[in-house]
Amino acid sequence: ETAVFQTPNYHVTQVGNEVSFNCKQTLGHDTMYWYKQDSKKLLKIMFSYNNKQLIVNETVPRRFSPQSSDKAHLNLRIKSVEPEDSAVYLCASSPDWGNYAEQFFGPGTRLTVL
Amino acid sequence: GDSVTQKQGQVTLSEDDFLFINCTYSTTTYPTLFWYVQYPGQGPQLLLKVTTANNKGISRGFEATYDKGTTSFHLQKASVQESDSAVYFCALVSNYNQGKLIFGQGTKLSIKP
Repeated sequence: ETAVFQTPNYHVTQVGNEVSFNCKQTLGHDTMYWYKQDSKKLLKIMFSYNNKQLIVNETVPRRFSPQSSDKAHLNLRIKSVEPEDSAVYLCASSPDWGNYAEQFFGPGTRLTVL
Repeated sequence: GDSVTQKQGQVTLSEDDFLFINCTYSTTTYPTLFWYVQYPGQGPQLLLKVTTANNKGISRGFEATYDKGTTSFHLQKASVQESDSAVYFCALVSNYNQGKLIFGQGTKLSIKP
């Protein structure tokens, strides 16, 4: 099956802990993204990588760090989570980073910070 | 910077009603415009896409027209079904923003059976 896969589906943690989310795409795409979707469904890009190189780094707190081992994998680490980090984190991929390319999304990881 | 505005947070219709979801955008260059649909528990998926080369997109009975004059990209469907219940996002990508999808606020469509 070719798609974008994310693990875990859900994660509940306490303020100050570190969390990591994984994303893998089997579509053969060169570009991957992390988006944050808040409780009001607002979607905002955080990072994008093209062939393992960081090309977009939006203004996010420094406790967020993406990690790419190869062009099929893009993980997200959050050091010392805060309550405002509670959200759904969506991973996406596209064939390239041009402005015509469709982005394919995974199902998301829902993070709850207590 | 680029932005997308969807004024309707929620739309409630009955089956077979006409659907109209408002979307306007702002950009200093030529965008590619998208409508994405998100079903519960899933990520957004592409519904349709329009570039400057083709003004209209049509998919699964939905259509949207790229209007440069009014900078709008409204979504329409002649007759909605209960299975169309979802959140609809208007979005754009432009040369200015390196492939970043800029999303509108989303419009939740609820269809009464």
